[in-house]
Amino acid sequence: EAGVAQSPRYKIIEKRQSVAFWCNPISGHATLYWYQQILGQGPKLLIQFQNNGVVDDSQLPKDRFSAERLKGVDSTLKIQPAKLEDSAVYLCASSLEGGSTDTQYFGPGTRLTVL
Amino acid sequence: GNSVTQMEGPVTLSEEAFLTINCTYTATGYPSLFWYVQYPGEGLQLLLKATKADDKGSNKGFEATYRKETTSFHLEKGSVQVSDSAVYFCAHSGGSNYKLTFGKGTLLTVNP
Repeated sequence: EAGVAQSPRYKIIEKRQSVAFWCNPISGHATLYWYQQILGQGPKLLIQFQNNGVVDDSQLPKDRFSAERLKGVDSTLKIQPAKLEDSAVYLCASSLEGGSTDTQYFGPGTRLTVL
Repeated sequence: GNSVTQMEGPVTLSEEAFLTINCTYTATGYPSLFWYVQYPGEGLQLLLKATKADDKGSNKGFEATYRKETTSFHLEKGSVQVSDSAVYFCAHSGGSNYKLTFGKGTLLTVNP
């Protein structure tokens, strides 16, 4: 079974530029998550999709971050404009249904450096 | 609010030593509890989980028991190997919409 795919793996940009990340979840998984992991901390949820609808985006900085999941499969996360404090690893995860006992499967992440 | 507190690292052990990484949590309702591991250069992967009180999760020689009375889920292994060197994250699904709340992670280094 193929895992969660993400691209690119690394990205370096200057502040105020824009950047986009792509995620392809495990086939058949209804729930997709984007997390931000700052160095030395645990992942923090940015947004959660159930199929192509948003379930939770309470911690997404909506003035600069946006995300979509067209057709309930692939997803993109965009930052525009980027700030220095956005330097982090962005993780995509998926789970079968999004319930309390579900296992979330993580992709390898995209390491973003903002200069 | 929802939170996870886990033992500060780094932890350095010799091969075959006993490992304990403490984890306590605060959560609403009855969350599931998880340990995820991140090996060098790899993504997060589930190590083990427990979905209700007194359940024991186990995998690859690691164990953790869901203790509701002490709100704890400590990770243990009787004899660590060099290949266990990684960052370990404790998490629970007690947030709204069952989102995962993670601890800060504990870096484990096992020397031969």
